[in-house]
Amino acid sequence: RKEVEQDPGPFNVPEGATVAFNCTYSNSASQSFFWYRQDCRKEPKLLMSVYSSGNEDGRFTAQLNRASQYISLLIRDSKLSDSATYLCVVNINNDMRFGAGTRLTVKP
Amino acid sequence: EAQVTQNPRYLITVTGKKLTVTCSQNMNHEYMSWYRQDPGLGLRQIYYSMNVEVTDKGDVPEGYKVSRKEKRNFPLILESPSPNQTSLYFCASSFTGSGETQYFGPGTRLLVL
Repeated sequence: RKEVEQDPGPFNVPEGATVAFNCTYSNSASQSFFWYRQDCRKEPKLLMSVYSSGNEDGRFTAQLNRASQYISLLIRDSKLSDSATYLCVVNINNDMRFGAGTRLTVKP
Repeated sequence: EAQVTQNPRYLITVTGKKLTVTCSQNMNHEYMSWYRQDPGLGLRQIYYSMNVEVTDKGDVPEGYKVSRKEKRNFPLILESPSPNQTSLYFCASSFTGSGETQYFGPGTRLLVL
């Protein structure tokens, strides 16, 4: 079983749609959590950290469920520019573990 | 501008010909790391360094070497490249490596024939 698992997608949604991604992790000792965005084989860039209480940044909301060991990312009012691959990242004892990513395409 | 740079960005080479991919950061970060990214596998860590002269193996260190003689530089060395090292390579850095945000270089696409 992979340490960090994501549905690879692709998710194809129309502009304005709401889309949610989930990510599960296997190590209960995981300490911190992140969502990164990666455009078309460019470098990953931090989208947002994920806090236990859940956090929001504009149209993006991240949630953490430690009991079920999953992280979610919700994107509201999708824009064409949101098309990218979203990487779930889990920190286990200062070791960053990356999911393989979920591909999102937002269409006009 | 705060950044991580890598060179070369693209490289085609032949099996067994030693190569070095350079990585440099200008943010005074202590922690630096190398990853490779392959389809369906996500980023896998090759080597990391917590500080100057301190390096450790990641998940897939076989066939790679690194050095950290200066804080800003962390070159990746392939002594004898093989076709299974064809991949997209990213260098990353962060302040301390304690699970905070990592900043990635633009990537190096390597093809080993």
